[in-house]
Amino acid sequence: EAQVTQNPRYLITVTGKKLTVTCSQNMNHEYMSWYRQDPGLGLRQIYYSMNVEVTDKGDVPEGYKVSRKEKRNFPLILESPSPNQTSLYFCASSLGVYSGANVLTFGAGSRLTVL
Amino acid sequence: QQQVKQSPQSLIVQKGGIPIINCAYENTAFDYFPWYQQFPGKGPALLIAIRPDVSEKKEGRFTISFNKSAKQFSLHIMDSQPGDSATYFCAANIQGAQKLVFGQGTRLTINP
Repeated sequence: EAQVTQNPRYLITVTGKKLTVTCSQNMNHEYMSWYRQDPGLGLRQIYYSMNVEVTDKGDVPEGYKVSRKEKRNFPLILESPSPNQTSLYFCASSLGVYSGANVLTFGAGSRLTVL
Repeated sequence: QQQVKQSPQSLIVQKGGIPIINCAYENTAFDYFPWYQQFPGKGPALLIAIRPDVSEKKEGRFTISFNKSAKQFSLHIMDSQPGDSATYFCAANIQGAQKLVFGQGTRLTINP
């Protein structure tokens, strides 16, 4: 089944404790992206990657890091989480800029709580 | 700043009614306007999309109406069903880029 898989789905952590949310896709998509979803703010892009070893900041990159060492994986790293990073996070992927339409496939989400 | 403004934030409709969700954008550098549907505990999924050279697109009970001059587009759901209860996001793709700008989302509830 074509999908984007995120882990963990739920996580409660404390301020300053480094964590990584993994994301993997099995569709050979070139483009991958991370979003956070907050009530009243919709989906905001954190980071994106056009291809392996190519990453760039989205609209709300502060406090996050990413890497794209393999085409299928795009982990999101919070080096020193703070309470304002409590949110619902989504990883998404798509074929890429030459696909004719930017159709994103989303993962099921990771709900993060930072105490 | 490229923005998409979505309204209402929440909407309750009786079964069989026609909920309408509206979006407006502030510049013309968008070339593709999708709507995503999100059920509780799931990620958003593409529902229907339209390009700016078309004024209306219909897929089953879902219709997008697009008004290029007013920079507005809307989603209509005909004969709404309780199973349509979800959060709906409009979005706009930045022309020449691989970037979707999302609206704030609308939580739709269809009462039986």
